[in-house]
Amino acid sequence: NAGVTQTPKFQVLKTGQSMTLQCAQDMNHEYMSWYRQDPGMGLRLIHYSVGAGITDQGEVPNGYNVSRSTTEDFPLRLLSAAPSQTSVYFCASSYEGSYNSPLHFGNGTRLTVT
Amino acid sequence: AQRVTQPEKLLSVFKGAPVELKCNYSYSGSPELFWYVQYSRQRLQLLLRHISRESIKGFTADLNKGETSFHLKKPFAQEEDSAMYYCALKGYSTLTFGKGTMLLVSP
Repeated sequence: NAGVTQTPKFQVLKTGQSMTLQCAQDMNHEYMSWYRQDPGMGLRLIHYSVGAGITDQGEVPNGYNVSRSTTEDFPLRLLSAAPSQTSVYFCASSYEGSYNSPLHFGNGTRLTVT
Repeated sequence: AQRVTQPEKLLSVFKGAPVELKCNYSYSGSPELFWYVQYSRQRLQLLLRHISRESIKGFTADLNKGETSFHLKKPFAQEEDSAMYYCALKGYSTLTFGKGTMLLVSP
């Protein structure tokens, strides 16, 4: 049981480059989300999805796009990377059908934008 | 709006000492609260949730609606408890995290 899988683990980009962070879960979870983790800022929600075909913005969505074409996958796209997007990115999923369903996190992607 | 406040960035204690990591929240509805932990080089994982009223690894947390708090406590800290702890509040569709408290337990 793989849980939540994120790729790549590390990435270095130059300002202006684009890339996609991949996230896949094999638990048939309806809810998926992307957070960024920055020192002193905790985890901040970028985008989330409550099911295939449905996405919504979180606290810090600017500069990021998402799509949810399948239940399993929830990629995060950076269209034009900026140094301010240097961070550790976490994908998380949960089964929304049960009360108090916890989030299952991936291992994270450490992104550096130069 | 929902908000989670963890006032301490760092909490440093000696092994065997009691630990209390503070968490206060702001939410207009009925809160669902969690504590997540991130050990060094590991993914975040759920530690405990208020609805379960459970004790995990010796940690407990009680929801106090009057004080809007959900403090995490452990009577005797162990070195392996050193980690980053996040308090989280579940709103309508999203989970809001506090900024986290780093717990360092020294021998």
